[in-house]
Amino acid sequence: NAGVTQTPKFRVLKTGQSMTLLCAQDMNHEYMYWYRQDPGMGLRLIHYSVGEGTTAKGEVPDGYNVSRLKKQNFLLGLESAAPSQTSVYFCASSYNPGGADNQPQHFGDGTRLSIL
Amino acid sequence: KNEVEQSPQNLTAQEGEFITINCSYSVGISALHWLQQHPGGGIVSLFMLSSGKKKHGRLIATINIQEKHSSLHITASHPRDSAVYICAVRSQGGSEKLVFGKGTKLTVNP
Repeated sequence: NAGVTQTPKFRVLKTGQSMTLLCAQDMNHEYMYWYRQDPGMGLRLIHYSVGEGTTAKGEVPDGYNVSRLKKQNFLLGLESAAPSQTSVYFCASSYNPGGADNQPQHFGDGTRLSIL
Repeated sequence: KNEVEQSPQNLTAQEGEFITINCSYSVGISALHWLQQHPGGGIVSLFMLSSGKKKHGRLIATINIQEKHSSLHITASHPRDSAVYICAVRSQGGSEKLVFGKGTKLTVNP
């Protein structure tokens, strides 16, 4: 049982390049999240999804887009990377039957992204 | 002011010591989470609680809703407990989102 898998684990980009981070979960979870973690700051929510075909903005959505075309996958896109987007990105998912909100989140191992 | 404040930011202990990490929050919540992040970066959920106390092995989490405060205790600490411990809260009203503290970095020396 793989849980939450993030791809890639590391990436270096040049300013202006684009890329997509993939998050896949095999637990049939409804909710999925993308966070960024920066030194001296708590995890901050970028975008999230409460089900297939739905997405919503989190705390720091600017410069990112997401898609949830399949229930098991949640993609995070950077259209034009900027140095300020250098960060560690975490994906998480949770099981929320009937919209129940008090469920633990399961995290991937993170993607370390550097923008030069 | 951050909605979730943790103390201390850094904590160094000797193996075997009793550890306490504190979390205070400013909003009404439906649940509070304690998470552990190891040096390798992976994040694991330790506890989710909305009242009282939970125990798992040497870890104990307590919450006082009236005082908006939670503590994470580690008994008989061990070097493998060295990690960053993160508190996160889910606001009342059915929010899907968690608000995270900045974490407490614990180092347990042998």
